[in-house]
Amino acid sequence: GQNIDQPTEMTATEGAIVQINCTYQTSGFNGLFWYQQHAGEAPTFLSYNVLDGLEEKGRFSSFLSRSKGYSYLLLKELQMKDSASYLCAVHGQNFVFGPGTRLSVLP
Amino acid sequence: KAGVTQTPRYLIKTRGQQVTLSCSPISGHRSVSWYQQTPGQGLQFLFEYFSETQRNKGNFPGRFSGRQFSNSRSEMNVSTLELGDSALYLCASSPGTSGLQGDEQYFGPGTRLTVT
Repeated sequence: GQNIDQPTEMTATEGAIVQINCTYQTSGFNGLFWYQQHAGEAPTFLSYNVLDGLEEKGRFSSFLSRSKGYSYLLLKELQMKDSASYLCAVHGQNFVFGPGTRLSVLP
Repeated sequence: KAGVTQTPRYLIKTRGQQVTLSCSPISGHRSVSWYQQTPGQGLQFLFEYFSETQRNKGNFPGRFSGRQFSNSRSEMNVSTLELGDSALYLCASSPGTSGLQGDEQYFGPGTRLTVT
């Protein structure tokens, strides 16, 4: 079967750092993606990991451990506009999305 | 480059009717995937089309079908609509050139379907 788990909600303070975890069990693995989705909008691409390790992209970094079926998204210097849902998605046989983590950034 | 477009953006239908949604992918992209998003179930994969062929299918009943044209545009159809079909239907395109490497998906704005 295919299963992706993420925390449902997280809260952090403006300027802080937050780590959103994702664990997965999927059929096949071609890559892991993180998407950001603001309320009422379509998801937008944030990052992509296919090999183990850390990928850094500005204020966002994503880590992958294929042997552990684990990834995290790290957001630094949080801004109010980062309040959104963050979706972990695994490209295996299909694209399977996690339930999303709703992040609230407080002033 | 123009992004993924979906039409219509909003739709209200009555139970028992059928509906067709349209998606135009990014120019050059050959893969189109469809998703249903509801507050309770999150994003769920419906199917993927590549070069006019259905390449993958999710766990939805046969009332949900789709097709892809030679220009990569895709349509999905839902017959005999049920109240539970009310959702945001998202289309995503990707180059889709290889199943061995991850392809980033670009999402359209979605079609919000309300079934009454």
